[in-house]
Amino acid sequence: SQKIEQNSEALNIQEGKTATLTCNYTNYSPAYLQWYRQDPGRGPVFLLLIRENEKEKRKERLKVTFDTTLKQSLFHITASQPADSATYLCALFSGGYNKLIFGAGTRLAVHP
Amino acid sequence: NAGVMQNPRHLVRRRGQEARLRCSPMKGHSHVYWYRQLPEEGLKFMVYLQKENIIDESGMPKERFSAEFPKEGPSILRIQQVVRGDSAAYFCASSPPTAQETQYFGPGTRLLVL
Repeated sequence: SQKIEQNSEALNIQEGKTATLTCNYTNYSPAYLQWYRQDPGRGPVFLLLIRENEKEKRKERLKVTFDTTLKQSLFHITASQPADSATYLCALFSGGYNKLIFGAGTRLAVHP
Repeated sequence: NAGVMQNPRHLVRRRGQEARLRCSPMKGHSHVYWYRQLPEEGLKFMVYLQKENIIDESGMPKERFSAEFPKEGPSILRIQQVVRGDSAAYFCASSPPTAQETQYFGPGTRLLVL
């Protein structure tokens, strides 16, 4: 069956360190993979999109990698700040269906 | 440019009542998606609509749920005869016709069924 898995446990890190979040998937061949941020009581906010033929994408302090052989994406936040504390969602877009398939999300807490 | 608008933000219904959730997409966006999020779970796709057409409703329960996106006005997600299990956050997203892979989400409607 098709599955998207993200670290179910919260990730606690110290301010200034790099946070690394993992997204693994099975039985998909996604054309794109995306990362969203969600704060409590709010809708997801789009952060980054990476295509199947791209290995890495960067945006300011954010970096995403996409390994279609391992079926895994890693999401990095460098020089993390308490304001980065949120739930981060991984989502696959399977082209023909026009819908996003979301993981359950990983909660990140950055401590001062 | 205003983002995706949803209303109401919070909705309380008693079992058996109807719930109507509204979504106005971003200006220029003709594609609307509805997702449901249960507590501590990820978002689950429900339905994908274009103006006056339902394109994919594979995630929508077969009974009591319906969606529309008329030529004029917002998209509506309608839940008839609500039950406690319908309590969730319902998010609407929209995308432009030329970049459907990037979806912009509204703030959600939190439905509580008593």
